[in-house]
Amino acid sequence: EPEVTQTPSHQVTQMGQEVILRCVPISNHLYFYWYRQILGQKVEFLVSFYNNEISEKSEIFDDQFSVERPDGSNFTLKIRSTKLEDSAMYFCASQGASETQYFGPGTRLLVL
Amino acid sequence: AQSVTQLGSHVSVSEGALVLLRCNYSSSVPPYLFWYVQYPNQGLQLLLKYTTGATLVKGINGFEAEFKKSETSFHLTKPSAHMSDAAEYFCAVSDLRGGGNKLTFGTGTQLKVEL
Repeated sequence: EPEVTQTPSHQVTQMGQEVILRCVPISNHLYFYWYRQILGQKVEFLVSFYNNEISEKSEIFDDQFSVERPDGSNFTLKIRSTKLEDSAMYFCASQGASETQYFGPGTRLLVL
Repeated sequence: AQSVTQLGSHVSVSEGALVLLRCNYSSSVPPYLFWYVQYPNQGLQLLLKYTTGATLVKGINGFEAEFKKSETSFHLTKPSAHMSDAAEYFCAVSDLRGGGNKLTFGTGTQLKVEL
């Protein structure tokens, strides 16, 4: 069964450093999403991406964040200058023609 | 704006007992509703969803949920809990505007199953 994959599973970085989180969505899916879950809190929407552009973003998704689908298979989330409060689990999700989003296993980001 | 309320951040049941996890939503448009399960150190797995049609929906692992528009609820149930059901459960509502269906999640309910 096709699944969404994410790399790395864990990332530790220093405050102010750039990080890139990678996702491989399910082939033939059309919509792509990033969510995050700060420890002990609920899953929050960051951004949705369709037809090679952002379709919606939350107030969390400020200028420090960017997304890209560089090669038609990967979907990346870049944080330009990480802050302590960016520490969270980041989930990628993809969606095809149905309304169901399929989530990856997540990348746990720790900013020191 | 859509929102989801899950009553009870922690629920504990005995093995074999009924599982009831509560979810209420608010939405200005007819909602799509979802239950996801998260096992420790894993991603979110879809349990079941309601889009249109039959209001009682069945999902994986013996779970089901009933959409009640009058009560704005979508409670998750399972007749008999199993130890393997111990996990965190998230109710979510979909916002169909904006070209995709952003999910708005509740705060989650941690289910504990005891012998």
